[in-house]
Amino acid sequence: AQSVTQLGSHVSVSEGALVLLRCNYSSSVPPYLFWYVQYPNQGLQLLLKYTSAATLVKGINGFEAEFKKSETSFHLTKPSAHMSDAAEYFCAVSSNTDKLIFGTGTRLQVFP
Amino acid sequence: GAGVSQTPSNKVTEKGKYVELRCDPISGHTALYWYRQSLGQGPEFLIYFQGTGAADDSGLPNDRFFAVRPEGSVSTLKIQRTERGDSAVYLCASSLTREDEQFFGPGTRLTVL
Repeated sequence: AQSVTQLGSHVSVSEGALVLLRCNYSSSVPPYLFWYVQYPNQGLQLLLKYTSAATLVKGINGFEAEFKKSETSFHLTKPSAHMSDAAEYFCAVSSNTDKLIFGTGTRLQVFP
Repeated sequence: GAGVSQTPSNKVTEKGKYVELRCDPISGHTALYWYRQSLGQGPEFLIYFQGTGAADDSGLPNDRFFAVRPEGSVSTLKIQRTERGDSAVYLCASSLTREDEQFFGPGTRLTVL
């Protein structure tokens, strides 16, 4: 069985500060890993995905994530937060690329 | 271009009633997915279609839930004898093939009174 754990249901940062959203996964097979963002009243949007190529994955809007097998982690980072980054972020795992198993989400707040 | 659309955007029903939720995927996308998102939770997989057939329905919670995609495009999620616990946002996603990015619709918020 596969699962993801997102540590911290809420994260608050100041504008310009580093964003770090944590995700740990459990998988009995090599995983595919994803980060999605959900803005209020909008659908989920893919930020980035890891599919066993480079371990450092760059996504949209300046976000990136690093796959660390030894730590079973796939944390999402952004060097400098913008007000527009305020949203809910979901980490997801899959054994292929179809059925996604999502975490419970982390709500990011950005203060001026 | 047009994204994934879902209708209705909101549905309020009474316990025991039957409901249908519709998903219009992006044109040409062969794969279609249904997820359910309860308050404060991440989306939970329900069913995945490849073309007209359900390739994986392991996430359907019980036999009150059923989904169809008769022509390989539009899909309908059907819930019989609704219960208050079925209240959630039902999300639909589509992808060009199963290996491609899933594009999500805005969801249908179902409230069972």
